[in-house]
Amino acid sequence: GAVVSQHPSWVICKSGTSVKIECRSLDFQATTMFWYRQFPKQSLMLMATSNEGSKATYEQGVEKDKFLINHASLTLSTLTVTSAHPEDSSFYICSARDRSLAGGPEEQYFGPGTRLTVT
Amino acid sequence: QKEVEQNSGPLSVPEGAIASLNCTYSDRVSQSFFWYRQYSGKSPELIMSIYSNGDKEDGRFTAQLNKASQYVSLLIRDSQPSDSATYLCAASGSARQLTFGSGTQLTVLP
Repeated sequence: GAVVSQHPSWVICKSGTSVKIECRSLDFQATTMFWYRQFPKQSLMLMATSNEGSKATYEQGVEKDKFLINHASLTLSTLTVTSAHPEDSSFYICSARDRSLAGGPEEQYFGPGTRLTVT
Repeated sequence: QKEVEQNSGPLSVPEGAIASLNCTYSDRVSQSFFWYRQYSGKSPELIMSIYSNGDKEDGRFTAQLNKASQYVSLLIRDSQPSDSATYLCAASGSARQLTFGSGTQLTVLP
């Protein structure tokens, strides 16, 4: 089955620093990757949609200058949280859609998530 | 506003019983529907997808879709303690993004 990896699985950083999270599709090419954030006891909230070779599309209320997304290849998207603050502490999860299924089922495959703690 | 709503639970069922999870959606454009299982501290895992009206069965899981009523459900037969998790309903709209419900927490009691 389709496998998506994320790195790191958890990270602790100091307030004001930046953190980069990587999302990779391991056995398929992903034209589109999605970045979600999940706070405790809440559902997943879509932050942005990342398309290979183009600018990400951010959801309303998500600061694009704070959450930098780069989708440089069909297997890699990165999310950089710039100038992180304690309120950015959350579970960040990426997902990817298989390029070979373009026009077909909308299934998304999720990475294992990255738990960010900002102190 | 496009919404997916679930009864938040928590839902408790005894081992071996049928667990019934429900979901409604507001966007009539939605064509694809998914059920994800999420264990505490883990990311969601796709367990069922359904695209047309009717029932779809996969092992102990049955998804039901009624587009006229904008209603999706998931039945888990012979529930096991390992089924205890939060179940997320998701709908894919015209933008091919997923909108998630708030999740239903299921506990299967041994």
